[in-house]
Order: sequence, then C-alpha cells, then structure tokens
Amino acid sequence: GQQVMQIPQYQHVQEGEDFTTYCNSSTTLSNIQWYKQRPGGHPVFLIQLVKSGEVKKQKRLTFQFGEAKKNSSLHITATQTTDVGTYFCASMDSNYQLIWGAGTKLIIKP
Amino acid sequence: EPEVTQTPSHQVTQMGQEVILRCVPISNHLYFYWYRQILGQKVEFLVSFYNNEISEKSEIFDDQFSVERPDGSNFTLKIRSTKLEDSAMYFCASSRLRRETQYFGPGTRLLVL
Repeated sequence: GQQVMQIPQYQHVQEGEDFTTYCNSSTTLSNIQWYKQRPGGHPVFLIQLVKSGEVKKQKRLTFQFGEAKKNSSLHITATQTTDVGTYFCASMDSNYQLIWGAGTKLIIKP
Repeated sequence: EPEVTQTPSHQVTQMGQEVILRCVPISNHLYFYWYRQILGQKVEFLVSFYNNEISEKSEIFDDQFSVERPDGSNFTLKIRSTKLEDSAMYFCASSRLRRETQYFGPGTRLLVL
C-alpha cells in the first residue's frame, strides 16, 4: 500500500534559524497535507497541496509539492518558540485513508 | 469556532476490560474517523464512518474494535477486551465531505495495565 516517508525524525535549531522537513513516496500522490502537533496536543491541519509543483506560503511557512507529486517539503524561516512541535505530512490514498509520515520534531535549542 | 470534543481525556483500564471512547464531531460534518497514536510514533488510521456505517477500516481495526453513532451527536469507539498494546492516544476527527479537511479532537489517552 501507499507509504509516506518523512525525514528527519528530529531537528534541533537555534531560535531564528530555518527548519525544513521532507516527505517522499515511491508512488505518485494525489495530494499532500501538512499537520502540526504541539507537545501533548492533537494534529492541527495546516494546508493541502494537490497540484504538481505547487508552492503555498503561510507567513514564515512555505510548502512545496514536487513536480512528480512524489515529494513535498515544509520550510519554516526564522523559527520562533511558538513553532515547537511535530510536523506531519499525510496523504489521502485511493481508499480515502489518510496515510501519515512519521513526523519531524522541531526542537528549539535554549 | 466549532470543534471536535472527546471524553474522557484520560482512561486507565485493566487488560481484558472493555473501554468506550466518546467523541462529538462538528455538527454539520458527515464523515467521522478514529486514529491512534502510540506514544512518540506516527498517527495511524483506524476507521472512517459515514451514513451510520463503516466506510473504510485499516488492518489495525480488528474484531476487538467497533464504532457506533448511538444518537445524533456522539460517535464512539469501543475496544472489547483491551490489550497492553492498545495503550495509545486515540483521536477522533470529522470532515464535512470525504476529501475535505479533517478536524481533530484533543484525544483520549488510554493506558492499559
């Protein structure tokens, strides 16, 4: 079945540095969704990308969907303490099931 | 803003006991979901529910699990005879239509001893 791989598992950054997480799949994805989960919280939907090569921005967050629709990235510019959490990519498969990546935990170094 | 609610927030149970986790989806949503997240791991799809029946379920959702919409507002997940490995955070979610954004509840943390 469809699988979504996500790296890295953790990323430690100084406040103000950038952060990037990557997702990829061996099969073409019809869509990619991104969620943020704060520590102890629940996943919160951020965005969905559906078009090849699509780029969307939300303030300091930039989301990209690859030309082949097999990979995606989330980039945060100049991280802040409020960005702390785990960022998940997920894709809805042909059975309408959301298949999730393993998540990347953003940790801000003190 | 409307939100999905879940009760209880935490549940501790003995192995072999039955548990029922409750969810109130957003009122005009038609699709309901249960997900599981074992501590520190990825979110896993369990089941989706539409029009009073299961529309999709994963391999995790075996005969020990069942879902029900007992009235017009609640959506429940029952685990018939809990196992240690059922310990996890269980999230309910709902969406207006099948391909639309899913909104997650705060979760129920289940601990099986």
